[in-house]
Amino acid sequence: QKEVEQNSGPLSVPEGAIASLNCTYSDRGSQSFFWYRQYSGKSPELIMFIYSNGDKEDGRFTAQLNKASQYVSLLIRDSQPSDSATYLCAVTKSGGSYIPTFGRGTSLIVHP
Amino acid sequence: DADVTQTPRNRITKTGKRIMLECSQTKGHDRMYWYRQDPGLGLRLIYYSFDVKDINKGEISDGYSVSRQAQAKFSLSLESAIPNQTALYFCATSEKQGLGETQYFGPGTRLLVL
Repeated sequence: QKEVEQNSGPLSVPEGAIASLNCTYSDRGSQSFFWYRQYSGKSPELIMFIYSNGDKEDGRFTAQLNKASQYVSLLIRDSQPSDSATYLCAVTKSGGSYIPTFGRGTSLIVHP
Repeated sequence: DADVTQTPRNRITKTGKRIMLECSQTKGHDRMYWYRQDPGLGLRLIYYSFDVKDINKGEISDGYSVSRQAQAKFSLSLESAIPNQTALYFCATSEKQGLGETQYFGPGTRLLVL
C-alpha cells in the first residue's frame, strides 16, 4: 500500500463547479497535511495545510481532514480554467523529522 | 528575485558523464532537499540536509551524491549519468509550520540523459 494515495485523474469539471480532490494515507499517526498545486512544467506551490479534524477554508479552497478514516480532501469552489493543474497531497508522518511524503498528484481540468 | 534558484534549467548529457545541478536560496532556511519527478511517479526524495553538517539519504539516493557548501547552497551530482536518471529535478527549502513543514521549490532542472 502506498503511503499517500491520490487518484491520478484527470478530474474534469465545468467552470463554476466544485472540484473535489481526495487523498488517503496509511500512517494513522500522521500529523500534518498539505495541498500543493503544480502547473504543467512549473514547480509545486503550497495552497494550504491542515492539522485538525474538520474543515479549513481559505478563499475558494477548503481542506477537509478525517483522521479516523485517514483521508484529506481539497474542495475548490467556483472552479476556474486557471485552476487546471496537478494537485499534490503531502503528509507528515508521526515520529519527528517533519519531512513530507507526497502523493503522485491528481490532474484537474476545468473546462469553460 | 526568486527565493530558490536552480542552475542549469535544462541539461542534456550523455551516459557516463558526471554532472552537477546547483541550488541556491535566499530564504535563510536551514533545511534543503533534492527531489526528482517522473511522470506518474510523483515527487521522490533523493537527499536532504538539515544544516551544513547534516546530510541524509532519501528514498532514491543510489547514483547520486550531494554537497552542502553553505547554508544557502546545496548541489546534486550524478557521478556517472544513466538514461533512467532522465527526469525533472527540484530543489526545495522548508520551514517548520506547526506540526509539519512548508516546502518552497525551485523552478526545476529538466535533465535528459542520452
